[in-house]
Amino acid sequence: GQNIDQPTEMTATEGAIVQINCTYQTSGFNGLFWYQQHAGEAPTFLSYNVLDGLEEKGRFSSFLSRSKGYSYLLLKELQMKDSASYLCAVMDSNYQLIWGAGTKLIIKP
Amino acid sequence: GAVVSQHPSRVICKSGTSVKIECRSLDFQATTMFWYRQFPKQSLMLMATSNEGSKATYEQGVEKDKFLINHASLTLSTLTVTSAHPEDSSFYICSARDISGEQETQYFGPGTRLLVL
Repeated sequence: GQNIDQPTEMTATEGAIVQINCTYQTSGFNGLFWYQQHAGEAPTFLSYNVLDGLEEKGRFSSFLSRSKGYSYLLLKELQMKDSASYLCAVMDSNYQLIWGAGTKLIIKP
Repeated sequence: GAVVSQHPSRVICKSGTSVKIECRSLDFQATTMFWYRQFPKQSLMLMATSNEGSKATYEQGVEKDKFLINHASLTLSTLTVTSAHPEDSSFYICSARDISGEQETQYFGPGTRLLVL
């Protein structure tokens, strides 16, 4: 079966760095996405990785290792507004997104 | 970035009525749109894949006669919840596949919160 695993909840301090991991097992691979979702809102796109390596975009970076079925989202200089759920999703061979359950990130002052 | 709109953003209806939700891609053409629902504190669940000019593909367990999907144009897909019941109360989110850029991605609408009384 297809499976996406990520931690349920993480806590970090304002100004610090946090890494949210995601491991996956899917039928085919056409890219991995990270989305941010604030409570009560639809997800917003953060990053897309299809090749191995690190993609940096401002305070957010995303890493992919296809051989290990592993990705992480790195958030630097954390701000209170970064408190949200972070969803990892893999696009399978049918170009459909397989979603992880999301990681709730709590930022403390 | 690309924009996807949904209308209405919030709807309250009586049990037994039908509700139509529209999803529009505003600055790109989307041959494929997806409909999701999300219950509180749970992950997104794909309901169906909407293909322009053809019948939608429904996920297992989703009743196609209850959740009618029409993808009438390259920028519009509609989801109609027929004979809505309180258990249909949920957050419905659409997304549209954009293949026009260097990489394919999906953009989400803002969601529609449905409350059935």
